[in-house]
Amino acid sequence: GQQVMQIPQYQHVQEGEDFTTYCNSSTTLSNIQWYKQRPGGHPVFLIQLVKSGEVKKQKRLTFQFGEAKKNSSLHITATQTTDVGTYFCAGAGKLIFGQGTTLQVKP
Amino acid sequence: EAQVTQNPRYLITVTGKKLTVTCSQNMNHEYMSWYRQDPGLGLRQIYYSMNVEVTDKGDVPEGYKVSRKEKRNFPLILESPSPNQTSLYFCASRLSSFNQPQHFGDGTRLSIL
Repeated sequence: GQQVMQIPQYQHVQEGEDFTTYCNSSTTLSNIQWYKQRPGGHPVFLIQLVKSGEVKKQKRLTFQFGEAKKNSSLHITATQTTDVGTYFCAGAGKLIFGQGTTLQVKP
Repeated sequence: EAQVTQNPRYLITVTGKKLTVTCSQNMNHEYMSWYRQDPGLGLRQIYYSMNVEVTDKGDVPEGYKVSRKEKRNFPLILESPSPNQTSLYFCASRLSSFNQPQHFGDGTRLSIL
């Protein structure tokens, strides 16, 4: 069946450094969604990408959808302690979630 | 306030004692689903429902049951819980089954001894 893989599983950065998480699907995706889960919280929807090659920005966060619609990335510029949490990608209608990338930011 | 409400938030119970985790949404969403979250495994879908009286298995349905008799409610039933069902459970809903943001409840932490 369809699988969505995320790397890395964990990332520790110094505050102010950049961070990127990658999401790869075994099949072509009709769309991809990104969620953030703060420690002790529930996943919260961030954004959805639909078009091949699409790039969307939310302040310091940049989301990309690959040309083949099989991969995606989330890049955070100049991380802050408020960015701490686990970031999930989820693909297609049934929303198959990746394993998530947990980001720790050292002040 | 638009929300997905799960109860209980925490539960410690024993093997074999039937339990139900309730989930209710007030957004008139058609699509609802249950996930379990385990370290290193992300969110895995247990069951989903595309509308009233329509339910289907997700990726890890063994040991669970669901029902969707009303649009707003989607309870998760563990008929005979076992320790390997100790996990963090999330209920989620979205407007329809296609290309919609999913709204999650606050989660239920279940410990089965």
